[in-house]
Amino acid sequence: NAGVTQTPKFRVLKTGQSMTLLCAQDMNHEYMYWYRQDPGMGLRLIHYSVGEGTTAKGEVPDGYNVSRLKKQNFLLGLESAAPSQTSVYFCASTPRAMPTNEKLFFGSGTQLSVL
Amino acid sequence: QKEVEQDPGPLSVPEGAIVSLNCTYSNSAFQYFMWYRQYSRKGPELLMYTYSSGNKEDGRFTAQVDKSSKYISLFIRDSQPSDSATYLCAMPPTGNQFYFGTGTSLTVIP
Repeated sequence: NAGVTQTPKFRVLKTGQSMTLLCAQDMNHEYMYWYRQDPGMGLRLIHYSVGEGTTAKGEVPDGYNVSRLKKQNFLLGLESAAPSQTSVYFCASTPRAMPTNEKLFFGSGTQLSVL
Repeated sequence: QKEVEQDPGPLSVPEGAIVSLNCTYSNSAFQYFMWYRQYSRKGPELLMYTYSSGNKEDGRFTAQVDKSSKYISLFIRDSQPSDSATYLCAMPPTGNQFYFGTGTSLTVIP
């Protein structure tokens, strides 16, 4: 009963380095989301996907790329990390589109620090 | 103006107190109103949701929506130390995105 799994849980990068965050869900959900959470800013949507092979930009997409090659996986990439990308990143999934009473299932987060 | 505004707190109350958490919103098209609870170093989890106006009760928790004032509230009765968490209001519009409040940090002191 894994739900939404994020890897890694913690990472420290130097400015300019690249990395990929992996989100995996085992609930056969169509919709997947990447959020970042910063103090005083709440959860902000970076990118989302409404199905395998499709992605779309959210509120704060600059500096990030995503891919959804398999339905169960949603990858978030940082090509050239910047200190402004220091944040806690959350992946979430849901069976179908909003608005419904379907809830978002969240992973446990990735704490990323860019020095 | 942000779509959803929420007082960030922090809020500190003694055990057994009644807690009131609030959000305001600007988009009259919102129909679903949700409250998520987030424990430290965890992802948010859905606590309650309501549709349109009115009240909904679940144990010690009551969610209230006033669409005329664009104001929603979450009340916690007989608060417990285990209620210590950050509470986020959330509203899905007609698209695929949620609008989240910034969250209110609550500490219940034994």
